[in-house]
Amino acid sequence: KNEVEQSPQNLTAQEGEFITINCSYSVGISALHWLQQHPGGGIVSLFMLSSGKKKHGRLIATINIQEKHSSLHITASHPRDSAVYICAVRSSGGSNYKLTFGKGTLLTVNP
Amino acid sequence: DTAVSQTPKYLVTQMGNDKSIKCEQNLGHDTMYWYKQDSKKFLKIMFSYNNKELIINETVPNRFSPKSPDKAHLNLHINSLELGDSAVYFCASSQVNFNEQFFGPGTRLTVL
Repeated sequence: KNEVEQSPQNLTAQEGEFITINCSYSVGISALHWLQQHPGGGIVSLFMLSSGKKKHGRLIATINIQEKHSSLHITASHPRDSAVYICAVRSSGGSNYKLTFGKGTLLTVNP
Repeated sequence: DTAVSQTPKYLVTQMGNDKSIKCEQNLGHDTMYWYKQDSKKFLKIMFSYNNKELIINETVPNRFSPKSPDKAHLNLHINSLELGDSAVYFCASSQVNFNEQFFGPGTRLTVL
């Protein structure tokens, strides 16, 4: 079992729908990242959070440390939101951090 | 433009060859990384360097040797390339170890 599990693996939505992508992890973490990988392959960091909630435009990320769970929400989805969304957790490995990735959620938003 | 850049973007080579991928960041970050994304699109950390010093080497074959001549550069040299090395390799940087990551555009390596 992967240390970081994302659900769903694939998600298809109609433009305007509210989207939720989930991430669960099994290790102690100091922070959690949400990344977006465009169809062309480029990767962009969306959020890094260690507690509570962050918002940027139509994107909202939440984390519940006790439940070891994070969600990424997209309000009023648009076809340009179509991408792979990747959750990654920063955990301690001895004196250093390491980053462990989920397998990603492929989001397709249809017009 | 401030960014993380990688060269080349595409690399096609024969098994057994030695190749290098270059990475440069002009963001003034202290930490740089190499990630491998396999055919199933799964990302995995390979190396992390902080101020030119190796911090993490995640069970990567010793055919892979990162080199950081200065804080702004982290190059990846691969010896005796194997078919299984085919992947997309991403360089990234961050101000602090594993804080917000800034990714390069990726290098698609194909070993024939």
